[in-house]
Parts: sequence; structure tokens; C-alpha cells
Amino acid sequence: AQKITQTQPGMFVQEKEAVTLDCTYDTSDPSYGLFWYKQPSSGEMIFLIYQGSYDQQNATEGRYSLNFQKARKSANLVISASQLGDSAMYFCAMRERGSGGSNYKLTFGKGTLLTVNP
Amino acid sequence: SAVISQKPSRDICQRGTSLTIQCQVDSQVTMMFWYRQQPGQSLTLIATANQGSEATYESGFVIDKFPISRPNLTFSTLTVSNMSPEDSSIYLCSVLRGSSYEQYFGPGTRLTVT
Repeated sequence: AQKITQTQPGMFVQEKEAVTLDCTYDTSDPSYGLFWYKQPSSGEMIFLIYQGSYDQQNATEGRYSLNFQKARKSANLVISASQLGDSAMYFCAMRERGSGGSNYKLTFGKGTLLTVNP
Repeated sequence: SAVISQKPSRDICQRGTSLTIQCQVDSQVTMMFWYRQQPGQSLTLIATANQGSEATYESGFVIDKFPISRPNLTFSTLTVSNMSPEDSSIYLCSVLRGSSYEQYFGPGTRLTVT
């Protein structure tokens, strides 16, 4: 079973509107972290936002907020007031304590390609 | 945040040769990692680079194919050995600093094997 599921291969949004990118996760570890990264066409991975499993409040970073619904195991990214520069691939990722290999391993979803239209 | 540089930024290599990728961080970090992103795919962890000892490899990756060094707290190398076209990918260095949860990535090395 996939640990991170991003069901939207592609999304379109009009400039200045808000958009929600979906992410659901699967883990039995009570301690975990959820990340969102942005990957422009240049290939770099840009850290956007982090949510810890014990955090009571939803994380926010500027125009980015993470809608964390623990019972539903979802961690959707909300981008407010979209800009043309937001057009990129967006990856959701999870870090668990791990039972083997690296305890700091990030497991990534397949990504959502966001296109912002003028 | 951390400033991470990688060399080379891209390369085109012949089948059967090897390429060493360097990762340099602007300050000491606790953990360094190497990830691979195959064309059109997500990222997969290759290994954790351990300072002064052998790297910890994930399932499906072996030291003979991807030898890794980490001589100090700011530098690591990944070698892709005996390359084949299937090794064509973006290779990314990633770091974790202290007890921070934030994990940062370098700009990546885009490798094409012909």
C-alpha cells in the first residue's frame, strides 16, 4: 500500500485564486512528520511547510497552509492568492520513526503538477 | 535554511563509466542523505551518508553501485558506478540540521547516460 497518496496528477488555478492540493498518508507510527515541497522545472526541491503529528494547530507559512486532519490521515496544502510563479510540481512527503533503514527517511507521493493561469 | 551546492549540476556520461557528485553545505549539519528522482517519478532515498563510517543504504541500493563518502559535517560525495541508461536521473543531496525537523535539498545533479 502506498504510504503517501496524491490523487491529483494535475491541477489548474486562476491567478489570485486559492487552490488545495490533496495528500493522504498511511502510517501506524504515532510520531510522524508531514512535508510539502515545491519542484519547479529547474529541478530543485524547495521546502514549503511542515506539520508534526502532535502539533495541535495547522501549520502556516506565508501563503501556504497545511490543512491537517489527523483522523482522516490527510494533509492538504492550501495556497492562497496563487501567483504565476507557483506553477510547479508539488510533492507531499512523510517522515516516520522507521523500523529499518534510515529513521529520517522521507517517503514521497507521486506529486501534483500545478498550473497557474493568468 | 541551509545553503547546499552540488557539482556538477548536470552531465552526460557514457555507459560503463562512473560519475562522482559532490554536495557542499554552508554550515555543519547532523544528517546528509542522497535521493534519486528518475524521469517523471517521485524521489527515492538511496542512502544516509554517515560521517566517518559507512553509509546506510536503503533496500535496492548497494555500496558497490553507489559508494558514498562523508569526510566531515559539511561535505559528501555520491558516485554512480558502471553507469547504464537506467541510471539517468536527478540525484539530490539533502540535509537535516541539529534537532530541526526541516529537511532541505540541494539543487540536484541531472545525469544522462547514453
